[in-house]
Amino acid sequence: GDSVTQMEGPVTLSEEAFLTINCTYTATGYPSLFWYVQYPGEGLQLLLKATKADDKGSNKGFEATYRKETTSFHLEKGSVQVSDSAVYFCALNHNTDKLIFGTGTRLQVFP
Amino acid sequence: SAVISQKPSRDICQRGTSLTIQCQVDSQVTMMFWYRQQPGQSLTLIATANQGSEATYESGFVIDKFPISRPNLTFSTLTVSNMSPEDSSIYLCSGVWGTEAFFGQGTRLTVV
Repeated sequence: GDSVTQMEGPVTLSEEAFLTINCTYTATGYPSLFWYVQYPGEGLQLLLKATKADDKGSNKGFEATYRKETTSFHLEKGSVQVSDSAVYFCALNHNTDKLIFGTGTRLQVFP
Repeated sequence: SAVISQKPSRDICQRGTSLTIQCQVDSQVTMMFWYRQQPGQSLTLIATANQGSEATYESGFVIDKFPISRPNLTFSTLTVSNMSPEDSSIYLCSGVWGTEAFFGQGTRLTVV
């Protein structure tokens, strides 16, 4: 079945460092891909999405490109802030709307 | 967009009891789902809440343990029945509005 694999956390960075969180997927067909963020004590929020190959999703300085040839959707940000500290989930779905999540990656940014 | 309100936000329950979690959406959504997030783990889909009919459960989840109601397009409940410490998790409801899934803030359940 479909699955999503994320890099293990926690990822610990200093403020203004470059961030990459790796995400790869296994799926039939052409799923949509998502990154969700969960701030401490809050629910999940959609950060960005891409619905077809070579699409780039972007939001709040974060970017991810749908790479079908490598089945990847890595999350990047050029300069992280302390306020970016959260857990980040990569996810996919097909038209059924059920989301399949990766294990989540905790990001800790220190001043 | 849609705003999803879940309650309670947290609870501590005795084993053998049941807890009902409510999920209210501020607009009509086509699909509603219930997820479980066990400590330190990712989200696992429990079931799809179908309006006016029985929920569709994922492998490993059964109606007797997790009865779900969805009487209309904006409201759903999940009951965790006959709880044990292994049920300690965060339970989240989700609604799909357009092509985007929105989540409630979750219910943190601790079973003692």
